[in-house]
Amino acid sequence: EIVLTQSPGTLSLSPGERATLSCRASQSIGKNYLAWYQQKPGQAPRLLVHGASSRFRGIPDRFSGSGSGTDFTLTITRLEPEDFGVYYCQQYASSPLTFGRGTKVEI
Amino acid sequence: EVQLVESGGGLVQPGGSLRLSCVVSGLPLSTFWMNWVRQAPGKGLEWVANIKQDGSETYYVDSMKGRFTISRDNAKNSVYLQMNSLRAEDTAVYYCAAGWGWLIEHWGQGTLVTASS
Repeated sequence: EIVLTQSPGTLSLSPGERATLSCRASQSIGKNYLAWYQQKPGQAPRLLVHGASSRFRGIPDRFSGSGSGTDFTLTITRLEPEDFGVYYCQQYASSPLTFGRGTKVEI
Repeated sequence: EVQLVESGGGLVQPGGSLRLSCVVSGLPLSTFWMNWVRQAPGKGLEWVANIKQDGSETYYVDSMKGRFTISRDNAKNSVYLQMNSLRAEDTAVYYCAAGWGWLIEHWGQGTLVTASS
């Protein structure tokens, strides 16, 4: 099982600032099958990035993913108030699919 | 627009059973790998199981293998999760989720399962 470790646990930032979220895998993720999701309270998760760096349709370009192998990053440039929530990384390269524990972004 | 609507959640006693359903609209169910993902109160996301478009392959997280069974009926645009021998720690919101491969692209709003006496 691939274990994903996200850091930091919480980010407290102001609108307009840059957020950098990290996700580290316990082993290399094949084909960089790493996704990022945003979840707001009481809502289902929303896909932001897949394949480590491809934005899902309709996702603003202030969200960008990078990384390969075992180290991945989600960057949110110029934070907007609506960007608060919990961000999860997930690998979909091998079963069982696994999620990180999440990074809470507080605006 | 793809929509997923779950049903079947509720209160069940430990040791009991429950069957969750998910109806998909907007595209034929046969397009998608289907998943169940759960989230305990105040906790993170946990993938439960998935099933291939034609039902020929299923995968489970080890801790639920043997107790939970995922199935689908493409003619009814529906996917199911049969949950047996429920435990208090199975209490969670259960999300139905879909994708073309193992990537999860679309999510339902979830149904709450509470295992408690």
